[in-house]
Amino acid sequence: QKEVEQNSGPLSVPEGAIASLNCTYSDRGSQSFFWYRQYSGKSPELIMSIYSNGDKEDGRFTAQLNKASQYVSLLIRDSQPSDSATYLCAVLSAGGTSYGKLTFGQGTILTVHP
Amino acid sequence: DADVTQTPRNRITKTGKRIMLECSQTKGHDRMYWYRQDPGLGLRLIYYSFDVKDINKGEISDGYSVSRQAQAKFSLSLESAIPNQTALYFCATSDSHRGYGGELFFGEGSRLTVL
Repeated sequence: QKEVEQNSGPLSVPEGAIASLNCTYSDRGSQSFFWYRQYSGKSPELIMSIYSNGDKEDGRFTAQLNKASQYVSLLIRDSQPSDSATYLCAVLSAGGTSYGKLTFGQGTILTVHP
Repeated sequence: DADVTQTPRNRITKTGKRIMLECSQTKGHDRMYWYRQDPGLGLRLIYYSFDVKDINKGEISDGYSVSRQAQAKFSLSLESAIPNQTALYFCATSDSHRGYGGELFFGEGSRLTVL
């Protein structure tokens, strides 16, 4: 089982719709979770972080965390063509020999079409 | 100037050659990382360093070595390059006091091709 798994997609949504991106992780002790966005040919950039169960909203983005289910999601409301990118879920190891290691999922390619 | 600078940005080399990728940062961060990215595989961690004296292996360290010459400099070496090390390599930094160190800032990447 991969440490961090995402639906690789590609995910295609119409402009204005809600895009839902999902991620599961295997390390039950993980406490910190991140979403990065990577445009084609560019470096990843951080867009959201979440540390507690529940929802965290930032503009059109909402991150959701359920530690009991080991599940993290990212919702993008009112999707725009400029949101078309690869979205990477990342999980920070909290203890043991992997303390401080940030592990990424394989990424979900999102396309928002006009 | 970029906060995290990688050199070279592109490199083509031959099997068996020694290659060094260099990374320097002006962000004052204590942690530095090397990742490689392959299509469909996301970012995989090669090595990471919490400070000059602390270096840790990541998921795929075989065939690679690193050196943290200073807080601001972290280099990745391929002692004897092989074709399956052809990839896009990213250096990243983080501040251990922000987001528990999980808020990474990436360089622009170094594309390495091994023939």
